[in-house]
Amino acid sequence: GAVVSQHPSWVICKSGTSVKIECRSLDFQATTMFWYRQFPKQSLMLMATSNEGSKATYEQGVEKDKFLINHASLTLSTLTVTSAHPEDSSFYICSARLAVGTDTQYFGPGTRLTVL
Amino acid sequence: GESVGLHLPTLSVQEGDNSIINCAYSNSASDYFIWYKQESGKGPQFIIDIRSNMDKRQGQRVTVLLNKTVKHLSLQIAATQPGDSAVYFCAEGFNQAGTALIFGKGTTLSVSS
Repeated sequence: GAVVSQHPSWVICKSGTSVKIECRSLDFQATTMFWYRQFPKQSLMLMATSNEGSKATYEQGVEKDKFLINHASLTLSTLTVTSAHPEDSSFYICSARLAVGTDTQYFGPGTRLTVL
Repeated sequence: GESVGLHLPTLSVQEGDNSIINCAYSNSASDYFIWYKQESGKGPQFIIDIRSNMDKRQGQRVTVLLNKTVKHLSLQIAATQPGDSAVYFCAEGFNQAGTALIFGKGTTLSVSS
């Protein structure tokens, strides 16, 4: 099956710093990738839709200047949390959809961000 | 916005029993539904999906039922095993490239030996 990886798997940073999270589709090309955020014991909340070669589409309430998304190739999307604060601490998960064919979305293993 | 929800936040079963996890969705326009399993600290794992032109689909030990009349989705797990313990999410989407999935609230399944 299709494999999606994320790096890093966990990160701890100081308040005010920026953190970059990578999402890669390892064995397929993904025209579209999605970024979700999940707080403890809650469901996944869609943050943004990342399209290769164009600007991301953000969900209502998600600050595009704080959560920078870049989808420079068909296998890589990055999420940068800028000027992170403790309330940004969460589990960030990306997913990718095959460029053609199935509707199935394949999820990465997630990145645990802790902001001190 | 509209969302997909689950009836019960937790479900406890004995090993070997059949488990049924339910989900109600609100967007009648959704035409694609998926069940995911999420273990602690991991990303969601695809279990089974179903399109709106079907009402039942079977996989290995799992069956998904879709009732469009009442906008209800269920996941049946046969002979539940301790390894099935996890949080289960239903998600809805559209049969259209580039569209995201909307997740329900999740049901925590606990399987005791």
